[in-house]
Amino acid sequence: DAGVIQSPRHEVTEMGQEVTLRCKPISGHNSLFWYRQTMMRGLELLIYFNNNVPIDDSGMPEDRFSAKMPNASFSTLKIQPSEPRDSAVYFCASSFRAGQHYEQYFGPGTRLTVT
Amino acid sequence: SQQGEEDPQALSIQEGENATMNCSYKTSINNLQWYRQNSGRGLVHLILIRSNEREKHSGRLRVTLDTSKKSSSLLITASRAADTASYFCATDSNTNAGKSTFGDGTTLTVKP
Repeated sequence: DAGVIQSPRHEVTEMGQEVTLRCKPISGHNSLFWYRQTMMRGLELLIYFNNNVPIDDSGMPEDRFSAKMPNASFSTLKIQPSEPRDSAVYFCASSFRAGQHYEQYFGPGTRLTVT
Repeated sequence: SQQGEEDPQALSIQEGENATMNCSYKTSINNLQWYRQNSGRGLVHLILIRSNEREKHSGRLRVTLDTSKKSSSLLITASRAADTASYFCATDSNTNAGKSTFGDGTTLTVKP
């Protein structure tokens, strides 16, 4: 298995532009998580989906952030409009949550720089 | 503060020495997990210990869990330079409904 795939790996954009981050979870996994990591705030959970349905989006910073999971093999995180404080590494993770299985498998991340 | 809090924040040791990292949490948990993050990479799952377990081993890793003290420790024996990374604990509980809560991590540096 290729693991969790994220694209792009690096994104540099100007303030005010729309940014779309993409994630392909591991086949067969039923939960998907979006995280943001910065030196100041550490690893923050933004939103997670179970069976393609958003379960908890309390970590989404504000209305500029939105996430979708149209099917079991694809998710997007969109920032519109982007701001310099959105600069961070964004991770997608997936897991198969059933019974006592909780391990999350992380993608390589997207490093976002907003100038 | 976060459910899982690692201690120390940073640890520097010589190759061959043992490294011990601690994690404290606040509410009752179903399980606790440890992850490793190499610089510039995503987190990698290392080991999971359930609330009814007290100790678990995986290769050079030893994890303990003390639910009465709401704490866990990760011991890496005979450390190697390749163990240099950040280590995070994550907890799952009935109150966080399907998501793991990560701590801030311990940054381990193993000097060759």
